[in-house]
Amino acid sequence: GAVVSQHPSWVICKSGTSVKIECRSLDFQATTMFWYRQFPKQSLMLMATSNEGSKATYEQGVEKDKFLINHASLTLSTLTVTSAHPEDSSFYICSASFGLAGGGTDTQYFGPGTRLTVL
Amino acid sequence: EDKVVQSPLSLVVHEGDTVTLNCSYEVTNFRSLLWYKQEKKAPTFLFMLTSSGIEKKSGRLSSILDKKELFSILNITATQTGDSAVYLCAVDSGAGSYQLTFGKGTKLSVIP
Repeated sequence: GAVVSQHPSWVICKSGTSVKIECRSLDFQATTMFWYRQFPKQSLMLMATSNEGSKATYEQGVEKDKFLINHASLTLSTLTVTSAHPEDSSFYICSASFGLAGGGTDTQYFGPGTRLTVL
Repeated sequence: EDKVVQSPLSLVVHEGDTVTLNCSYEVTNFRSLLWYKQEKKAPTFLFMLTSSGIEKKSGRLSSILDKKELFSILNITATQTGDSAVYLCAVDSGAGSYQLTFGKGTKLSVIP
């Protein structure tokens, strides 16, 4: 149980184009989804937290107009990298969690990641 | 289907105890295994293992990989309350591109 998928797994695009990455919770309803970017030496940076039906909360230093996040349903969140440039090339990982009755979130279940290469 | 299983799911220990966290995997194409510590926000990278039998150490934490038996362990000695976190194991199993399969994590609670 608690499976999270991402699509596509690998995308190559030209500079200036926009790319959409989907994150789906396949067998549970995810009230909260998180988007991470993986940097060299494997460190993960949290980009934003999105709750279903509301605007995403972006971490400091992450451009919200550049990385558009939509959490339209309890099983789907999308990250759109707008006007992608080579420096946006990275590995993007999402995770999803249930909500807890008293607020806060439960364990995060991670997707397999999406490799973005911008030429 | 690639699979990474961590055990136990949850563990409560007293300060000073030594703990061993387990990660077993079944993947079609193994490239590396990674351990992360997640406290609040983003998981913090701990180790990357690619070769069997070579222990990696960082302070009180150490990890080793057994590619024959398809598992890894993460050891924490002389645990402290600051070690309380979720420890995640992930395997890179991408054939061409990088692809991570995460385990569900082990929640470690260290009590004084």
